[in-house]
Amino acid sequence: QVQLQESGPGLVKPSQTLSLTCTVSGGSVNSGDYFWSWIRQPPGKALEWIGYIYYSGAAYYSPSLKTRLTLSVDTSKNQFSLKLSSMTAADAAVYYCARVARAGHYNWFDPWGQGTLVTVSS
Amino acid sequence: DIQMTQSPSSLSASVGDRVTITCRASQSISNYLNWYQQKPGKAPKLLIYAASTLQSGVPSRFSGSGSGTHFTLTISSLQPEDFATYYCQQSYSTPPLFTFGQGTKLEIK
Repeated sequence: QVQLQESGPGLVKPSQTLSLTCTVSGGSVNSGDYFWSWIRQPPGKALEWIGYIYYSGAAYYSPSLKTRLTLSVDTSKNQFSLKLSSMTAADAAVYYCARVARAGHYNWFDPWGQGTLVTVSS
Repeated sequence: DIQMTQSPSSLSASVGDRVTITCRASQSISNYLNWYQQKPGKAPKLLIYAASTLQSGVPSRFSGSGSGTHFTLTISSLQPEDFATYYCQQSYSTPPLFTFGQGTKLEIK
């Protein structure tokens, strides 16, 4: 079964760029059947969709983050990545990666990685 | 942007109770609506997709219904492991842009 695992620094300084990677095992990011997504959750708050990327490199971003966000995919490593610039305290959250399953026009997140906590502090 | 509003924000119930959580969309989303369960410190888990299709392995006490702007998640007989936070999520539009509800925390009475 497909498993996803986030990796990256747990601490980022204000104004710096966050870089996270999601490694996929048991499946391939080089599949036209799925999108690959990032979702975050500030402590004690709701889930927020960040964006997703297709194996071709086509990416779709949340309107609220698109000016600071870059997603990429590395099919040779079976990974996809997130870069979020100009980090502030408001960006502190648990960051999840997830596969977007697709059936016709229906899409849902399954499975999810375990999440990685990112703190923003100098 | 499509906004998703869940009610109630929190709910206290007892084992064996029947519970219903509501999710409303700010515009019609047909049945492009999914439900997730999240336990503390864990990643969300998919329960229902396309408004009413039960994900494989999810107990049949969970059910979903609705279309357009009004959706419900029902747990027919609460079990101890069901106490968690539940989120709805829409996937309307092509290409899809996703939005989650604010969550409903289900607590033990």
